[in-house]
This record gives sequence, C-alpha cells and structure tokens, in this order.
Amino acid sequence: QKEVEQDPGPLSVPEGAIVSLNCTYSNSAFQYFMWYRQYSRKGPELLMYTYSSGNKEDGRFTAQVDKSSKYISLFIRDSQPSDSATYLCAMIPGGSYIPTFGRGTSLIVHP
Amino acid sequence: SAVISQKPSRDICQRGTSLTIQCQVDSQVTMMFWYRQQPGQSLTLIATANQGSEATYESGFVIDKFPISRPNLTFSTLTVSNMSPEDSSIYLCSVARGSSYEQYFGPGTRLTVT
Repeated sequence: QKEVEQDPGPLSVPEGAIVSLNCTYSNSAFQYFMWYRQYSRKGPELLMYTYSSGNKEDGRFTAQVDKSSKYISLFIRDSQPSDSATYLCAMIPGGSYIPTFGRGTSLIVHP
Repeated sequence: SAVISQKPSRDICQRGTSLTIQCQVDSQVTMMFWYRQQPGQSLTLIATANQGSEATYESGFVIDKFPISRPNLTFSTLTVSNMSPEDSSIYLCSVARGSSYEQYFGPGTRLTVT
C-alpha cells in the first residue's frame, strides 16, 4: 500500500460544477498537507497549504483535512475550464521538510 | 514565491550519454531540490542540493548516476549520467525558503532517451 493514494481520474465535469478531489494516506505522522495544480507541460504550482486538521478557504478553493480518517479533500466551487489541470496532493510528516506526493488527479472542466 | 527557470526545457539524447540540467532562481533560497516525474507516477525526490556541500540523495538514487552541484544560493545543476531509456522522464527543480514547507517548482525538463 502506498503512503498516499490518489485516484488518477480523469474526472470530467461541466463548467460551474462543484469538484471534489481527494487523497487518503496511511502515515499518521503527516502534519502538513498541500495541494498543487499542474497544467500540461508546466511545473506544479502550490495552491493551498494547511497544517493538521480543519478547513482552509481561498476564493473558490477549500482544503479540508480529516486526520482521524486520514483523508484530505480539495473542493473547487463554480469550476471553470481554466481549472482543467492535474491536481496533486502532498503531505509532510512533522520534523521533516520532504513531501510525499500523490499521483495526481486529472480534472477536465468542459464548457 | 520565486521565479524559477530550467534549461533545457526538453532534450532527446542517445543512450550512454549525459545531460546536465540547470536551475536558476531569481532570489536566494535556502533549499533546492531535484525531482523526477514519470508518466502516471507521483513526483519522486532525487536529492536535496546543499550549498557548499554534497547533495543528500534519497533511497534509490546515487551520486554517480545523478551528480548535483550547487555553487551558490540561486543556482544548481543536475546531471543524468550514462543515460538509458528508463531515464526518460520530466526532471523538476524546486525551492523552499528558510523553514518553509512550501515548495515552488520550475517548469521542468522533458528528457527522452533513445
């Protein structure tokens, strides 16, 4: 079992839909949780960063961490075609600075 | 954040040759990292490039295959040595400041080995 599991998709939704992207993990030492967005032929771009459990909102994006279930989510409201990209979750254990990445979920938002 | 450039952006190389990838940052950073991203796979850390000392390699990666230099706080190189088709991948440089857990990535170098 991999430390971080992420469904590669693709996930196809109509414009305006609410998108839910998820990762599960097995290492209870993970303390820091991140979401990156990667457009085709570009490097990953940091979207959201949270520490421990709870929610964090930034515009149309909400990151949610449930440490008891070892489950994190990224919600995108009012999705746009420009949101079409691969979304990678990443997690770092306490005392480290090295993230473990998920495989990424490909999101397609069609007009 | 930081503005990061990589050269070359892509290359096609012959088996057995070596390629050096450059990473330049627009400002001084504490940490620089090199990753590999293979199709359908998660990002895999190759090594942490330490300024003024030898790089710290992750399990499965060795200095003879992936020598790294970091002569100053804004520049690093990764060499992929004695290449085989299995080395075909995207190689990414990333940086972090101080004790920040946030990493910022360059655009990547797409390498194809024939």
